[in-house]
Amino acid sequence: DTAVSQTPKYLVTQMGNDKSIKCEQNLGHDTMYWYKQDSKKFLKIMFSYNNKELIINETVPNRFSPKSPDKAHLNLHINSLELGDSAVYFCASSRTGQILTDTQYFGPGTRLTVL
Amino acid sequence: SQQGEEDPQALSIQEGENATMNCSYKTSINNLQWYRQNSGRGLVHLILIRSNEREKHSGRLRVTLDTSKKSSSLLITASRAADTASYFCATVHSNSGYALNFGKGTSLLVTP
Repeated sequence: DTAVSQTPKYLVTQMGNDKSIKCEQNLGHDTMYWYKQDSKKFLKIMFSYNNKELIINETVPNRFSPKSPDKAHLNLHINSLELGDSAVYFCASSRTGQILTDTQYFGPGTRLTVL
Repeated sequence: SQQGEEDPQALSIQEGENATMNCSYKTSINNLQWYRQNSGRGLVHLILIRSNEREKHSGRLRVTLDTSKKSSSLLITASRAADTASYFCATVHSNSGYALNFGKGTSLLVTP
């Protein structure tokens, strides 16, 4: 039973295309996150949703748009893909979003390659 | 910036040896967490240490925190080949909202 799942695992696409990455958690958690890990393994928060509401929106191009249809899903849509978007994108969730105590559970990642 | 920085960037040891990784950060924190990432996988939470704690243990893991030096260390005792992974520290600051601030990680290789 996968706690946090992402699809697809690999995504190879051309510049300029629009693509989506899906994330689902079956842990009953209230808060979900998207992180981007670059080629140097640096992991940076992009977005956070708590009960379907946007909490964190870091300095991310507005080509990236998260969508949370319900609290178990947080999808990431990317418009007009650029070479610099190539990275591994991780979805994560936590029980309440109380960062002082909560553990975050990560999905397996989606490796996006933009050609 | 707020993110932690791990040291060393890469570490290679033999099975049975201890591995020590360090993390330094710049601003005051509420807590600090260590995560492990196996190749091609997501991150797995290892341990959380609060700013008022100095040491924490979990199995073969020992984490220390020195807030005066703004640093933490992760010690893995009696390492095994299965410990081969990247290890990240992540800090939580009072003004960081719900976000973890990750460092760049230490790549640990444990050879049989």
